[in-house]
Amino acid sequence: AAGVIQSPRHLIKEKRETATLKCYPIPRHDTVYWYQQGPGQDPQFLISFYEKMQSDKGSIPDRFSAQQFSDYHSELNMSSLELGDSALYFCASSLEGRGTGPSNYGYTFGSGTRLTVV
Amino acid sequence: AQSVTQPDIHITVSEGASLELRCNYSYGATPYLFWYVQSPGQGLQLLLKYFSGDTLVQGIKGFEAEFKRSQSSFNLRKPSVHWSDAAEYFCAVGILTGGGNKLTFGTGTQLKVEL
Repeated sequence: AAGVIQSPRHLIKEKRETATLKCYPIPRHDTVYWYQQGPGQDPQFLISFYEKMQSDKGSIPDRFSAQQFSDYHSELNMSSLELGDSALYFCASSLEGRGTGPSNYGYTFGSGTRLTVV
Repeated sequence: AQSVTQPDIHITVSEGASLELRCNYSYGATPYLFWYVQSPGQGLQLLLKYFSGDTLVQGIKGFEAEFKRSQSSFNLRKPSVHWSDAAEYFCAVGILTGGGNKLTFGTGTQLKVEL
């Protein structure tokens, strides 16, 4: 079965550079989520999109932005990178409908992008 | 605001022994509850989920969890642990947003399995 695809798997950037992370959700899933997991930390919600519109926002720095495109893939753009941005970034997708509750199709995470800022 | 507490940061069990990982949540409405497992440097794999109905939920890899509303708990259990179960386990509560289901995770429990 198709899963959530994230690219790249690993990324090394220098401070103050820009990074773009990509996420390809499971086909027909209408919602995409981004999470950040620092070393030894639990995943923290950053932002989500439902049907290509931002649906919720968490603890996402102003230096970060994201969007979901017409083909439902999503990109997380991170500018002016700082050492503290080094983390594992997860994308997840689900089929939610309109506030009807978590679908029985589940909430599937990608394998993540490991970003290292040096 | 919702929160999830996993009181045990580290747990060590012998292979073949039973396992229970504790999870307590705080949320004002009916929670959607999840357990995920993560191997080092890997993604999050869904073990099981509770939305409604039967409070005893069966998952993959022989895991089960029981939702107890009176105790605000969703503990994960396995009757006989295998060495391959060594990993980090995260409990999460799902919060419905405008068009999705944002997860709040606990801090995780690191499971070590002794042979």
